[in-house]
Amino acid sequence: SQQGEEDPQALSIQEGENATMNCSYKTSINNLQWYRQNSGRGLVHLILIRSNEREKHSGRLRVTLDTSKKSSSLLITASRAADTASYFCATAYNQAGTALIFGKGTTLSVSS
Amino acid sequence: EAQVTQNPRYLITVTGKKLTVTCSQNMNHEYMSWYRQDPGLGLRQIYYSMNVEVTDKGDVPEGYKVSRKEKRNFPLILESPSPNQTSLYFCASSSLRPGGTQYFGPGTRLLVL
Repeated sequence: SQQGEEDPQALSIQEGENATMNCSYKTSINNLQWYRQNSGRGLVHLILIRSNEREKHSGRLRVTLDTSKKSSSLLITASRAADTASYFCATAYNQAGTALIFGKGTTLSVSS
Repeated sequence: EAQVTQNPRYLITVTGKKLTVTCSQNMNHEYMSWYRQDPGLGLRQIYYSMNVEVTDKGDVPEGYKVSRKEKRNFPLILESPSPNQTSLYFCASSSLRPGGTQYFGPGTRLLVL
């Protein structure tokens, strides 16, 4: 399977701490995207990093990509209770990013 | 407001009774897709469409049909639902520009008895 794998499966932290989630994949990609899902709701796109990029920032989010190791990480700094959600990485195998393969997700719980 | 809508949001049905879940987007996106989400399995793609009258199978197409007669609509059809199709279904759309990201609908929770 080409499916990405997130690690850890579940993460519990206190408000104000940083949360790091990792994603590994198996074959060459065009880009990698991170999505967030609040319980039972639709996924919301967070950030996209292209295969020729190594790091990208968006607000409190920092994404890194290591194509030699076929891995990515998502860092959420200064976590808030509202960050509690599931986070999915999705690897895109075509330029348009439509051929997406989703991982199984990391469930983040931030307690106040 | 740019959005993807799905109907119904919740559905309980019985084995064998044909049903359709509608999906509509107002962003003039060429690409639309259906996923199912099951515990421990993540999201798996059922069917996708690159444009009107162009559809193709995803990873788990068995038991499903789709059509794309108009750009904005992409209904998912279960001709003879079975209990193993009980799941949470998401429709998504995106443009075909390089690096396009997908916009997801709110989900349809289906229970097949």
